[in-house]
Amino acid sequence: AQSVSQHNHHVILSEAASLELGCNYSYGGTVNLFWYVQYPGQHLQLLLKYFSGDPLVKGIKGFEAEFIKSKFSFNLRKPSVQWSDTAEYFCAVNEGYGGATNKLIFGTGTLLAVQP
Amino acid sequence: DADVTQTPRNRITKTGKRIMLECSQTKGHDRMYWYRQDPGLGLRLIYYSFDVKDINKGEISDGYSVSRQAQAKFSLSLESAIPNQTALYFCATSDGDRNNEQFFGPGTRLTVL
Repeated sequence: AQSVSQHNHHVILSEAASLELGCNYSYGGTVNLFWYVQYPGQHLQLLLKYFSGDPLVKGIKGFEAEFIKSKFSFNLRKPSVQWSDTAEYFCAVNEGYGGATNKLIFGTGTLLAVQP
Repeated sequence: DADVTQTPRNRITKTGKRIMLECSQTKGHDRMYWYRQDPGLGLRLIYYSFDVKDINKGEISDGYSVSRQAQAKFSLSLESAIPNQTALYFCATSDGDRNNEQFFGPGTRLTVL
């Protein structure tokens, strides 16, 4: 079965620090990759997604992620975080086009706290 | 996303009670999903439905049942609630294209005493 690992469970940063959150998945075939964000008290919102093409994907609010197929990774980055980035971040994977189930598998989440 | 709504938003109930959580969407999507979120465990899939006549168990379906009343409505029931079903429940939809981007509702916080 597919699995998604987010190694950083809780990250604390100061404003303006750089951010990188790790995500690794287990599926060896074609994948679609997502990062969702959940701000305090809110529902999940899509931050960015990768389906094909340029492995460096840019999302909303200055976030980007790089798909490295050889490492089964899709790490999320932001050069300079803001207090408003305090949230929980979820990586998710599903089998690519033609996959049997097209279900999303989520990681356990990384809670980011940005200190002003 | 206002296109996916969930009712109720909060519910406190007692062990053994039957509870129904409802989800409605105006996105016109065929696919709907129910997840539960627990601290440190992320989101886990309970049930999913690819159309009105298609219902499938997810990874943690025990103790839950669902009903897809229409394309736009997907309900989750706890026949006899137990305390370890205390969690945040999310409904999501997708249009089933190759992207399978899912759109989430605001969540229902359920507490079982």
